[in-house]
Amino acid sequence: GESVGLHLPTLSVQEGDNSIINCAYSNSASDYFIWYKQESGKGPQFIIDIRSNMDKRQGQRVTVLLNKTVKHLSLQIAATQPGDSAVYFCAEIHGAYDKVIFGPGTSLSVIP
Amino acid sequence: DTGVSQNPRHKITKRGQNVTFRCDPISEHNRLYWYRQTLGQGPEFLTYFQNEAQLEKSRLLSDRFSAERPKGSFSTLEIQRTEQGDSAMYLCASSSGLAGLNEQFFGPGTRLTVL
Repeated sequence: GESVGLHLPTLSVQEGDNSIINCAYSNSASDYFIWYKQESGKGPQFIIDIRSNMDKRQGQRVTVLLNKTVKHLSLQIAATQPGDSAVYFCAEIHGAYDKVIFGPGTSLSVIP
Repeated sequence: DTGVSQNPRHKITKRGQNVTFRCDPISEHNRLYWYRQTLGQGPEFLTYFQNEAQLEKSRLLSDRFSAERPKGSFSTLEIQRTEQGDSAMYLCASSSGLAGLNEQFFGPGTRLTVL
């Protein structure tokens, strides 16, 4: 069946360094992906999205890369800040009603 | 605050009891979703409403679970005869459903603990 998963469950980075969070997906028919950030006690928050006709998309301090050949997504956070500490999920939008299929998450800890 | 709101934020109940959660989506969002999230995992899709019509249900939604959106605005999720395995965070999300605008806005969730 389809699945979206992450390579690393936890990641610790020094404040100011760049962070890279990776994700593998198995459904080669997927054409839309989203990265979400979830802070403790809150619901997931949209960070950035990318469609399958793109291989890179940039936002404010964040970049998402998509490699369809190996079915791999990554989220790059530049100049990581303490406020970036959270769990990050890659997700696939699936079906006619745009339901979100989440991966298990990576916990990012920023060391001041 | 014009975001998605959920009530209650926390619910502790004894096994066998019924519980009901409420979700108020962003005004004029016609799409509403319920998800369940267990510790350390990503949220799992439960069900979807377009206006008042429930158009999709996950196999995770057993017959003890029922969701409604009677007027196409707020939604309720009821769990009957709760079991310890129902303990989780229940998240609601809404989106406008307009072409090209897929972003779902999530509420803060209701954390259910079944003793």
